[in-house]
Amino acid sequence: EAQVTQNPRYLITVTGKKLTVTCSQNMNHEYMSWYRQDPGLGLRQIYYSMNVEVTDKGDVPEGYKVSRKEKRNFPLILESPSPNQTSLYFCASSSLLASSTDTQYFGPGTRLTVL
Amino acid sequence: QKEVEQNSGPLSVPEGAIASLNCTYSDRGSQSFFWYRQYSGKSPELIMSIYSNGDKEDGRFTAQLNKASQYVSLLIRDSQPSDSATYLCAVKTPRNFNKFYFGSGTKLNVKP
Repeated sequence: EAQVTQNPRYLITVTGKKLTVTCSQNMNHEYMSWYRQDPGLGLRQIYYSMNVEVTDKGDVPEGYKVSRKEKRNFPLILESPSPNQTSLYFCASSSLLASSTDTQYFGPGTRLTVL
Repeated sequence: QKEVEQNSGPLSVPEGAIASLNCTYSDRGSQSFFWYRQYSGKSPELIMSIYSNGDKEDGRFTAQLNKASQYVSLLIRDSQPSDSATYLCAVKTPRNFNKFYFGSGTKLNVKP
């Protein structure tokens, strides 16, 4: 089954404790992206990656890191989480083939609470 | 100014009616527009994409794009209670064609 998986689905942590949210896709997609969703603000792009070792900032990259060492994985790293990073996070992927570039497939989401 | 603006709703329509959802965008050069549906507690799923002025129909859904007025709309005909969800508008702008900008979404309630 074609899918994007994220782990963990729920996480409660404390300020300053480093954490990683994993994202994996099995569709051989080149493009992967991380979003956060907050009430009234919609989905905002944090980072995206066009392919292995190619990453770029989205609109709200501060406080986050990413890496793309393998095509299927795109982890989101919070080195020192703060309460304002409490949010719902989505990973997404899409193919860069011309016919399907714009269809993003989203993971199930990770609800993060930073105390 | 936000890249994409949507009325947060909720928009309530009776079952069988036409639901009309609207979205405006700020970058006049934008060329790619999308509608996503998001059920409560779930992830967004793409339901329509549109690139040219005019209408694009897919089943009960019609996307309408008016680049001169910088708005895109989604019509849902014969609305069903199962259409109750939040609808997100997204745009790609020429400033960075690899980035997606989402609106905050319009909540639709279809009443039986």
